[in-house]
Amino acid sequence: RKEVEQDPGPFNVPEGATVAFNCTYSNSASQSFFWYRQDCRKEPKLLMSVYSSGNEDGRFTAQLNRASQYISLLIRDSKLSDSATYLCVVRSSASKIIFGSGTRLSIRP
Amino acid sequence: DAMVIQNPRYQVTQFGKPVTLSCSQTLNHNVMYWYQQKSSQAPKLLFHYYDKDFNNEADTPDNFQSRRPNTSFCFLDIRSPGLGDTAMYLCATSRDRGDNEKLFFGSGTQLSVL
Repeated sequence: RKEVEQDPGPFNVPEGATVAFNCTYSNSASQSFFWYRQDCRKEPKLLMSVYSSGNEDGRFTAQLNRASQYISLLIRDSKLSDSATYLCVVRSSASKIIFGSGTRLSIRP
Repeated sequence: DAMVIQNPRYQVTQFGKPVTLSCSQTLNHNVMYWYQQKSSQAPKLLFHYYDKDFNNEADTPDNFQSRRPNTSFCFLDIRSPGLGDTAMYLCATSRDRGDNEKLFFGSGTQLSVL
């Protein structure tokens, strides 16, 4: 079983739709969690950190469920520019940072 | 202004011909990482430096080496590239190794081994 697992997608949704992704992790001792966005042939860029209480940044909401060991990302009112791959990142120790394989999102006009 | 800079952006090398990729940072971060990302896969950590301390991942092939001559620069050396080493190589930094430390990535070097 992979340490961090994501549904690879692709998710193909119309502009304006709400879309959500989940990411599961296997190490219950994992300490911190992030969502990164990666455009085709570009580097990953931090989208948001994920806090225990959940956090929101504009149209984006991230949640952490430690009991079930997953994190989620919700995108409301999706824009064409949201089309990208979304990478789940889990830090399980000071030096161990694991990336998920990413979920591809495509927003259609 | 770019804070983590990788050169070159694209690199083509021949099978078995050594290649060096470079990374520099203006953030004065303690930690520098090298990741390998193959097409449609997750970035995979090869190794990282915490200051001058080198930390190799257990499954990183011996073919991959790294040098960090000073805080700002880090190099990835591939001694004898194979066809399977074709990938994007990403350099990242973080201020420290604490729980909430974020990674800052360079734009990557796309390596093609022919």
